[in-house]
Amino acid sequence: DTEVTQTPKHLVMGMTNKKSLKCEQHMGHRAMYWYKQKAKKPPELMFVYSYEKLSINESVPSRFSPECPNSSLLNLHLHALQPEDSALYLCASSQIEANRDTQYFGPGTRLTVL
Amino acid sequence: GDSVTQMEGPVTLSEEAFLTINCTYTATGYPSLFWYVQYPGEGLQLLLKATKADDKGSNKGFEATYRKETTSFHLEKGSVQVSDSAVYFCALSEAGANNLFFGTGTRLTVIP
Repeated sequence: DTEVTQTPKHLVMGMTNKKSLKCEQHMGHRAMYWYKQKAKKPPELMFVYSYEKLSINESVPSRFSPECPNSSLLNLHLHALQPEDSALYLCASSQIEANRDTQYFGPGTRLTVL
Repeated sequence: GDSVTQMEGPVTLSEEAFLTINCTYTATGYPSLFWYVQYPGEGLQLLLKATKADDKGSNKGFEATYRKETTSFHLEKGSVQVSDSAVYFCALSEAGANNLFFGTGTRLTVIP
């Protein structure tokens, strides 16, 4: 089973709202990733968690706050977003970080910020 | 630094036509190479991969061979179907690097 699940599938929020995106995998992977994908562009890395600890933050604004409660779950907390943050947010996981391992992606959450 | 250069799209083919999407890479080490496919409104799905020179990845009729001498990983399919219409991303993963380096993506449309 190589499934990564993400909820919700779609999210519309105002600039003053607080919302969270959720990601789950049960493959025993120890690295999990958040990517942002704008239309007609490849995904851009935002955060990497390795063994439940934040390993990489690619200079992402603080209005995005990741959290890894356990080895299977990854959250992305959103607060005071801007319309330009509207995008497809993808979660991925791999066995180990930075080891040429395959990353498996979830279906994504399509976020619209009004 | 590492990078992936991918054939510009969009590509439009008739059903049962032969498909080639070119991908070349630059890497400092010895990367793993991947093709991901993104159907409309969906996330990325791993299509195939190769981890060492001369390896051939294959899946669903698609094939790609890891060519170290030409630093290439071209995607091919002998007979495309309408259901293959999607965006295809070539990507590499380097030991010691957290990021997947993606190409710009190639949009394929297959018409009946």
